Parts: sequence; C-alpha cells; structure tokens
Amino acid sequence: NAGVTQTPKFRILKIGQSMTLQCTQDMNHNYMYWYRQDPGMGLKLIYYSVGAGITDKGEVPNGYNVSRSTTEDFPLRLELAAPSQTSVYFCASSNTGTGNNEQFFGPGTRLTVL
Amino acid sequence: AQKVTQAQTEISVVEKEDVTLDCVYETRDTTYYLFWYKQPPSGELVFLIRRNSFDEQNEISGRYSWNFQKSTSSFNFTITASQVVDSAVYFCALKGYSTLTFGKGTMLLVSP
Repeated sequence: NAGVTQTPKFRILKIGQSMTLQCTQDMNHNYMYWYRQDPGMGLKLIYYSVGAGITDKGEVPNGYNVSRSTTEDFPLRLELAAPSQTSVYFCASSNTGTGNNEQFFGPGTRLTVL
Repeated sequence: AQKVTQAQTEISVVEKEDVTLDCVYETRDTTYYLFWYKQPPSGELVFLIRRNSFDEQNEISGRYSWNFQKSTSSFNFTITASQVVDSAVYFCALKGYSTLTFGKGTMLLVSP
C-alpha cells in the first residue's frame, strides 16, 4: 500500500493564481482531511470529508474549496492564491471519525505564494 | 472548545540523556483520545501512540514511554537514552467529539 500520496511536493504560485493540491489514499478509508502547517505552529484543519460526496469545513476554510467524488481522492483547490496561504499542506485519512483510529498523513505539499 | 498546550518550544539534549516532552490538554468531552506524532526533518508525520481517556496505564515501547494523568490533564512523553535520530518536532494531539486538535509542537534537538 502506498498509503496517502500528495502531489505536487513543492509549488510556487503568484498572487491571484489558482491550483489544485491532489491527495489520494489506497486504504479504503472513509474519512479524509486537509491541514495546513505554518512555521512554529501545529496543524490546523481546513476541510474534511466523511465519505464520497460529503465535505465539511474545519477551523480555517476561507480561501479553499474541496470535493470528494470518490473514496480515494480528496483534492484541495485554491482559487485566488494569497501570501497568507504560504504553508505546508498535509492530507490525511482515517478509517473512522472516532479517535479510536489514528490519522495517516501524506508527505505534504510545500506551497509558496509570492 | 478543546486545547492542547506544549509549553516547551525547543529542547536541546546530548545523546544518551533522558528527555520528557510535556503535553497539557483541555476538553469538556468525557470520552477523548490523545496522540503523539513525530515530524522528523524530512517533514512527514509519523504516528507514535494513541491513548483513550479511560486507560490511564502508562505505556512503554522500547526507549519511549508515555505518562497519562487525567488528574492533571497531562500526557507526557519520555525518551530514554536519546539518540540523534530522535531529533524531530513532536506533536501532541487531542480528539474528543469533534475534530483532532494539535499542539504547537516541541522541537527536540539531540546532539552527539
């Protein structure tokens, strides 16, 4: 199993550009998550999904959109990139939404907006 | 709202020293889970341990041990005989009835 994979690993955007961060998991997990990690900070939840077709906002959703058309994929969309979105983005998945299952994380995408 | 506090921003030790990373949490949920994750310099997040609120037994796994005390709302992590490979950022996290909340992390630097 590859686990959780993310592409790209690095990206530089100009202000106002848009892009999609890809996330795929092969563990047949129902729950998927997007976090951002700013320097010296813990991870903050952007969006999450409890299954295909169902998404919900996390703590910091502004400026982002998500979709979940399949169990495996959970892309994160930035429509109008801003310098405040410079961060490392992590995708994660878990079998259930309870704490009885840990979340498995992808390797991260380092995004810089200039 | 739930909260996780890791008061130690950075700890530096010399190899073979023991080191304890502190984690204090706040939650009103009666059932909750606590986690520790490791983030080495390569950047990925590695799951280390999960503990539920009904199980206060300490746990030992090799050089790692965890002390969970509900009375003080703490879930501390000790590395015995630290090694250079232990150098990483360590995150404590809490999940009650809502989503997973992370502390800000403690950077551990182990020098030879």
